[in-house]
Amino acid sequence: DIQMTQSPSTLSASLGDRVTITCRASQSISSWLAWYQQKPGTAPKLLIYQASKLESGVPSRFSGGESGTEFTLTISSLQPDDVASYYCQQYAESYTFGQGTKVDLK
Amino acid sequence: EVRLEESGGGLVKPGGSLRLSCAASGFTFEKYSMVWVRQAPGQGLEWVSYISSSDTFIYYADSVKGRFTVSRDNAQKSLYLQMTSLRPDDTAVYYCARGGFGELEPFDFWGQGTVVSVS
Repeated sequence: DIQMTQSPSTLSASLGDRVTITCRASQSISSWLAWYQQKPGTAPKLLIYQASKLESGVPSRFSGGESGTEFTLTISSLQPDDVASYYCQQYAESYTFGQGTKVDLK
Repeated sequence: EVRLEESGGGLVKPGGSLRLSCAASGFTFEKYSMVWVRQAPGQGLEWVSYISSSDTFIYYADSVKGRFTVSRDNAQKSLYLQMTSLRPDDTAVYYCARGGFGELEPFDFWGQGTVVSVS
């Protein structure tokens, strides 16, 4: 089974900060990696798919990157609406989510 | 507008059964694979089950294999999850979500979830 290791588990940042979340796959998943945002009490929302493709309607301050089996989600300038939990997910072989990263304001 | 609405959750005793439903609208249901994902209280997301558009392919997480059965009715635009031999660690919010046309697809639309409590 493919394991996804996501870090950090929590992240405190100030408005306008650049924020980066990392996800590492236990084996090659090509670019079959998605990122989701989840706000408390609501369903997850797809932000990025195929490692770096922005889902329609998602603000351009969100971006995805990859290097081998390491993937990143970057928020270029943190906004109040970005306070949420973020999950990576591999869909190369079955489906596995990372443990999640909770982003809040410092 | 794509909409997914889950129902059927509730409180059930260990060893009991429950059937979840997911009503879909706003898209051509029969063309898409569908999945169930769950989230235990205060925990992360766990994929539970996948069913292809014409139910040719069905997959389960090891944690539910042999206890849960996924099905769909394309005429009714509905997805189901029959859960048996329920355990306390099955307690979670259960979401249905839309997959894609093929297998290597993320989940682009989600329902709001239905709560299952096993106690």
